[in-house]
Amino acid sequence: DADVTQTPRNRITKTGKRIMLECSQTKGHDRMYWYRQDPGLGLRLIYYSFDVKDINKGEISDGYSVSRQAQAKFSLSLESAIPNQTALYFCATSDVTGNTGELFFGEGSRLTVL
Amino acid sequence: KNQVEQSPQSLIILEGKNCTLQCNYTVSPFSNLRWYKQDTGRGPVSLTIMTFSENTKSNGRYTATLDADTKQSSLHITASQLSDSASYICVVSVRTGANNLFFGTGTRLTVIP
Repeated sequence: DADVTQTPRNRITKTGKRIMLECSQTKGHDRMYWYRQDPGLGLRLIYYSFDVKDINKGEISDGYSVSRQAQAKFSLSLESAIPNQTALYFCATSDVTGNTGELFFGEGSRLTVL
Repeated sequence: KNQVEQSPQSLIILEGKNCTLQCNYTVSPFSNLRWYKQDTGRGPVSLTIMTFSENTKSNGRYTATLDADTKQSSLHITASQLSDSASYICVVSVRTGANNLFFGTGTRLTVIP
């Protein structure tokens, strides 16, 4: 089983719908992240959490919200999806500050908003 | 402004040939630099990490270099294989701040038989 698991792997939805992407990890890491990847733009940080009680906005948080339900679970929500949120979304974890810590990514969730 | 730029954007090479990917950064204060490999449809996986004092580090057929003075890193792939086809992402971290990772946009490598 993967150490960082994302569900769903693929989702097609319509504009205005609420969508939740879920991430769970078995690595025991405190730090969890949500990124989106677009062609030509690379990976951009949406939200990150350094422990269960900690939530921080990344560079592109508008239109998204997150919930850290437990150390192992971090979900990303799109309250009202729009077409420009069509992208590949990645959850990642790390065990120490990103200064030295390696990021461990999930397999990705491909979201298409029509 | 903290930036990480990678070149080329894409590259096609014949199987068995060598290639070099470039990463230039303006990130400061520098902590370390990682190269990630991202296979199509998968999440990125770390290949190697370079710290300030390291000039060269190898991981099998992958060799990373770092010139901290010119703020440049390269990833050299020797005797390429079809399985090397992937995107290679350069990530630089700084020693300050909570959101301290800066990503390049990646180089898409295609190895053809």
